[in-house]
Amino acid sequence: QSVVTQSPSASGTPGQKVTISCSGSSSNFGRHYVYWYQHLPGTAPKLLISKNTQRPSGVPDRFSGSKSGTSASLTINGLRSGDEGDYHCAAWDDSVSAVVFGGGTKLTVL
Amino acid sequence: QGQLVQSGVEVTKPGASVKVSCKASDYSFVTHGIAWVRQAPGQGLEWMGWISGYDGKTDYSQKYQGRLTMTTDTSTSTAYLEVRSLTGDDTAVYYCARVMATVTLFRYEYMDVWGQGTTVIVSS
Repeated sequence: QSVVTQSPSASGTPGQKVTISCSGSSSNFGRHYVYWYQHLPGTAPKLLISKNTQRPSGVPDRFSGSKSGTSASLTINGLRSGDEGDYHCAAWDDSVSAVVFGGGTKLTVL
Repeated sequence: QGQLVQSGVEVTKPGASVKVSCKASDYSFVTHGIAWVRQAPGQGLEWMGWISGYDGKTDYSQKYQGRLTMTTDTSTSTAYLEVRSLTGDDTAVYYCARVMATVTLFRYEYMDVWGQGTTVIVSS
């Protein structure tokens, strides 16, 4: 069981906005940056959002991240069929001295 | 940008060991680390630990209780993960990922580039 809670599924139609949320605790999100990883079928996971809000080079500005206290969100604007896959939040956790991941959100584009 | 290429599928028996490799290219291996993360069928990602490419220091997840060994070969920019005493619960896809770190202080920051994954199947 993950110490970080993440909704297991999300969906939207092309062009819509979708928000995926993660809830952590004081030992992880409360003290450390949150990172988001995109895992599309048949590919390697990809860093999507770094340090709560930063987009690595090459990530479209349709993707944005935010954090408030022990909660974090990933927002995808202008949803596309190619966005369908799994999205994982992660952060370092001081209580277990390890990276903790949310359980992953499966995004379906209807 | 960097690239990580992992070894192929492994099928092994309970009680055995497996060793997975992760070859890095297009970046400086010794100024980064390598993390290992696994994903069991139907489950989320799970942290296993990381190793510094600078000096080989390791930080293992307590969950694995001495069953892991992470090593590096800086001459070939390759990292290795060995898992011993395998059970069916170790059936998973194992990923390596480049760690952005302050390697001289052995301080983990985050993972950015990931390998394609290695499927390990443990079955009698």
